[in-house]
Amino acid sequence: EVQLVQSGAELKKPGESLKISCKGSGYKFNNFWIGWVRQLPGRGLEWLGYIFPADSDTIYSPSFEGQITISADKLTTTAYLQWSSLRASDSAMYYCARPWSTSAGQTYGYIDSWGQGTLVTVSS
Amino acid sequence: DIVMTQSPDSLTVSLGERATINCKSSHTILYNSNNRNYLAWYQLKAGQPPKLLIYWASIRQSGVPDRFSGSGSGTDFTLTISNLQAEDVAVYSCQQYHSIPYTFGPGTKLEIK
Repeated sequence: EVQLVQSGAELKKPGESLKISCKGSGYKFNNFWIGWVRQLPGRGLEWLGYIFPADSDTIYSPSFEGQITISADKLTTTAYLQWSSLRASDSAMYYCARPWSTSAGQTYGYIDSWGQGTLVTVSS
Repeated sequence: DIVMTQSPDSLTVSLGERATINCKSSHTILYNSNNRNYLAWYQLKAGQPPKLLIYWASIRQSGVPDRFSGSGSGTDFTLTISNLQAEDVAVYSCQQYHSIPYTFGPGTKLEIK
């Protein structure tokens, strides 16, 4: 069974850095894309990007490229989302997300596995 | 970017009745090469991660009750929930995975009358 377990809620101040995590288990972590989706309070979902752990190939949404960094550690089967300088507008629920892949390794962008979510609050 | 819009913003339906939610994409999300519409539907409930309901516009995810159905092609899509149950109260969102960045609709809030 695929499991994505995220790190706990964070309360940070504007300008601070942050790195949240998502540990994958129950599947071959290196061979599946994994990434992040956020939900702003009372708003819809936003796709941030995906990473392929085997070679660290990363795809970002243009709206977030340069503002976030997605990374993955193959040894610990953990994906990360980090900010170097948080803003209040980064306050949201962040979900780890694994898009569906065929047995042949073809990946499509719909998400069948989700982490439980990490609430990030940025406030002075 | 492909912009996804949904209608209505919210709707109230009686138990046992049918709910219909519409989703429209700003560009076609049908790939002619495989005749597939790159559209998914999710159910969002407070305190829970999103739940995949439908993919390829009309394929029900394993374990999803058959009262949920999806239809449409090209730019116009519909999620239909028949025989509405109390546990169906949620926000429903569509997503296109045709082009990066993948984008979601703003959501439709479904309530029970």
